[in-house]
Amino acid sequence: EAGVTQSPTHLIKTRGQQATLRCSPISGHTSVYWYQQALGLGLQFLLWYDEGEERNRGNFPPRFSGRQFPNYSSELNVNALELEDSALYLCASSLEGARTEAFFGQGTRLTVV
Amino acid sequence: GENVEQHPSTLSVQEGDSAVIKCTYSDSASNYFPWYKQELGKRPQLIIDIRSNVGEKKDQRIAVTLNKTAKHFSLHITETQPEDSAVYFCAASRGSSYKLIFGSGTRLLVRP
Repeated sequence: EAGVTQSPTHLIKTRGQQATLRCSPISGHTSVYWYQQALGLGLQFLLWYDEGEERNRGNFPPRFSGRQFPNYSSELNVNALELEDSALYLCASSLEGARTEAFFGQGTRLTVV
Repeated sequence: GENVEQHPSTLSVQEGDSAVIKCTYSDSASNYFPWYKQELGKRPQLIIDIRSNVGEKKDQRIAVTLNKTAKHFSLHITETQPEDSAVYFCAASRGSSYKLIFGSGTRLLVRP
């Protein structure tokens, strides 16, 4: 069984541009989480989608947005990129929301220059 | 708001010694507490978790304890080995209808 997959692995963008990151959860998982991990720092909660709906979002500006598709895959969009947005963006999926194990993807390394 | 504090931020132990990492959560409704290990350049992976209806759980050299009254939980690693070197994250959640909040991480170094 395939694990959580993210694409692309690396992404380089210029300040002011938009970035789109993609995540495919484990088959059967309906919950998808997005986390930002800046270099040397912890996992900051960004967004949580479940059954196609945004259930919760972290303390990030509105230019961070996303969506979940009918097949439960998800997209994270970051508009008007700033240098501080450079980080590893991790996606995780779980079977029953946040009370069962969340499995992480390998992440997308976003670099804003 | 919800918060999980984790200490220490770095921990260096001699191979064979024990390591203890502590976390405190603010949301008294939290009932699920997983621990993740992240090796350099790799994704976080679950190593052990505990739910609020138990006080302790063990899996070989790893154990987690939970004190609901004090709202803190700890990870204990015994007989540490160099391959235990990684960043460890604690997390807390209310359950199925809530998000998973992570601590800031502990960088564990096991010296051979």
